[in-house]
Amino acid sequence: GNSVTQMEGPVTLSEEAFLTINCTYTATGYPSLFWYVQYPGEGLQLLLKATKADDKGSNKGFEATYRKETTSFHLEKGSVQVSDSAVYFCALGGYNFNKFYFGSGTKLNVKP
Amino acid sequence: DTGVSQDPRHKITKRGQNVTFRCDPISEHNRLYWYRQTLGQGPEFLTYFQNEAQLEKSRLLSDRFSAERPKGSFSTLEIQRTEQGDSAMYLCASLSSNLAVRGYEQFFGPGTRLTVL
Repeated sequence: GNSVTQMEGPVTLSEEAFLTINCTYTATGYPSLFWYVQYPGEGLQLLLKATKADDKGSNKGFEATYRKETTSFHLEKGSVQVSDSAVYFCALGGYNFNKFYFGSGTKLNVKP
Repeated sequence: DTGVSQDPRHKITKRGQNVTFRCDPISEHNRLYWYRQTLGQGPEFLTYFQNEAQLEKSRLLSDRFSAERPKGSFSTLEIQRTEQGDSAMYLCASLSSNLAVRGYEQFFGPGTRLTVL
């Protein structure tokens, strides 16, 4: 089947620290992989995506590389800011998938 | 585009009442999805439409839930005889299955938060 597992939170970091949020997946077929971010009281916003193995998605200083050999799509940022505090969701989906599958989310708290 | 919109943003109702939510997708998007999200969890798939056809419903969706997309544009989600366990955020998302349009990514609305007393 298809599923996404991501590290449990909350993750608490100081401003300018390095961030890694782990995400692994299982899929039948060849999915696209996504990271979404959700701020309090809002819907999900696409942060970045990768459509095939070895692709790197990047946006706003965040990066994630689609690793087929380890079935992973870990989210990284070199220097977090207080404004990055939010819940981050890893997801898989794509053209040959009827629906998207989401992880349970990782809450990030960044302290000044 | 103006993004995905949902109405209302908040709904408080008493147990046993019926509620209806509306979603307006991005205009050129042919697929529309409904999700439910409870506190501390990721979005849980409920159902999706391609144009006006409802192609899949989650087995978790009881018969108290019904969704429509009558003209392939906006969609409504109705919950009959609400229960306290229905309290959640209901999210709508849309995408275009045309690979030339925006790379097959879902765009989410702000959600409707339902509280059943």
